[in-house]
Amino acid sequence: SQELEQSPQSLIVQEGKNLTINCTSSKTLYGLYWYKQKYGEGLIFLMMLQKGGEEKSHEKITAKLDEKKQQSSLHITASQPSHAGIYLCGADMSGGGADGLTFGKGTHLIIQP
Amino acid sequence: NAGVMQNPRHLVRRRGQEARLRCSPMKGHSHVYWYRQLPEEGLKFMVYLQKENIIDESGMPKERFSAEFPKEGPSILRIQQVVRGDSAAYFCASSPFSGPKQPQHFGDGTRLSIL
Repeated sequence: SQELEQSPQSLIVQEGKNLTINCTSSKTLYGLYWYKQKYGEGLIFLMMLQKGGEEKSHEKITAKLDEKKQQSSLHITASQPSHAGIYLCGADMSGGGADGLTFGKGTHLIIQP
Repeated sequence: NAGVMQNPRHLVRRRGQEARLRCSPMKGHSHVYWYRQLPEEGLKFMVYLQKENIIDESGMPKERFSAEFPKEGPSILRIQQVVRGDSAAYFCASSPFSGPKQPQHFGDGTRLSIL
């Protein structure tokens, strides 16, 4: 089974609408990282969350880590075509910080004009 | 400042050949991570290296795959005797030092195709 579950798998949103992507783990998350990937390209770092209850924002994107540190959400306000792509959550699930990240399968976001 | 540089961007090999993928971390970064992205499977961790040391290779296949990060030069992911199942996108990431507070920054990847 997947250690990090992302939902939805794909999302089609009309330009200007808000949307939320979720990332859920069955284990405690010691660090949660959101990335965006455009098709055929690399991953662009968006935000990092460490503490339960933490919330960060950058431009129109807000990410939260719940109090129990087992779920994160990414919220986009007033979506634009530039927001289209694949959103990946990655997590440090070891606590030691030295190992590689575990990733969800991604959420494919399409913005309709 | 240059980000994480990977080359080549695309690599085509025939079954049985060797593939060498290179990764130069961001300036000032001494930790390198390799990941593989297979269609429909997502991004999977392979190996974590510091200069001249393999720290964690728990995600590396037991055979044919090896990685190094020499004192000078880029990190190399080497795949010997490639098979069709090795076709994937291979990503390298780097960070300045390990620890829960340092995000990994990714390169654009190498797309490996096996004929």
